[in-house]
Amino acid sequence: SQTIHQWPATLVQPVGSPLSLECTVEGTSNPNLYWYRQAAGRGLQLLFYSVGIGQISSEVPQNLSASRPQDRQFILSSKKLLLSDSGFYLCAWKVGTELRGEQFFGPGTRLTVL
Amino acid sequence: EDQVTQSPEALRLQEGESSSLNCSYTVSGLRGLFWYRQDPGKGPEFLFTLYSAGEEKEKERLKATLTKKESFLHITAPKPEDSATYLCAVRTGGSYIPTFGRGTSLIVHP
Repeated sequence: SQTIHQWPATLVQPVGSPLSLECTVEGTSNPNLYWYRQAAGRGLQLLFYSVGIGQISSEVPQNLSASRPQDRQFILSSKKLLLSDSGFYLCAWKVGTELRGEQFFGPGTRLTVL
Repeated sequence: EDQVTQSPEALRLQEGESSSLNCSYTVSGLRGLFWYRQDPGKGPEFLFTLYSAGEEKEKERLKATLTKKESFLHITAPKPEDSATYLCAVRTGGSYIPTFGRGTSLIVHP
């Protein structure tokens, strides 16, 4: 069966510090991978998605970036965090060989920028 | 622009009091409607996928239905452990990206 991992689970960082969040998927090959941010009282905001190694699409302009160095690894980064980057970050995967099918989400990372 | 609207935003029920959550959408070329359950501080948990009008899916006390304009998540005789936020999402055309609603927060009182 497939599983998705995210770490760290929680993170408190000062403004201006760098960020690296990691997501890995087990039990599947060539998945579509997604990064979302969920702010309190708001819906899921898609940040990045990837259909293959090195292929990243950005949905919103911001100081975040994403990379996919391996087939089942997705990394969210920032060089300098802003207060507005605080939120709940979710990684998700979907079977990559077809357009149909649902996404499966990881446990999330709670980021607080002070 | 594709839109997904969930109602009500919040719902309080007594244990055993059945009700329905609504997800209405204005999209062209629906390629799937998805329901998720999200507990506080956790990632959304997949519940159902519906692809065509008239389709129904069931799981324990939950039943999801789909028409051409909306989906309902029926909760029969809910229990306190059904308390969560329920999210709806739709995917259209040739996109890999679903559009999510803002969710319905359900609280079931014992």
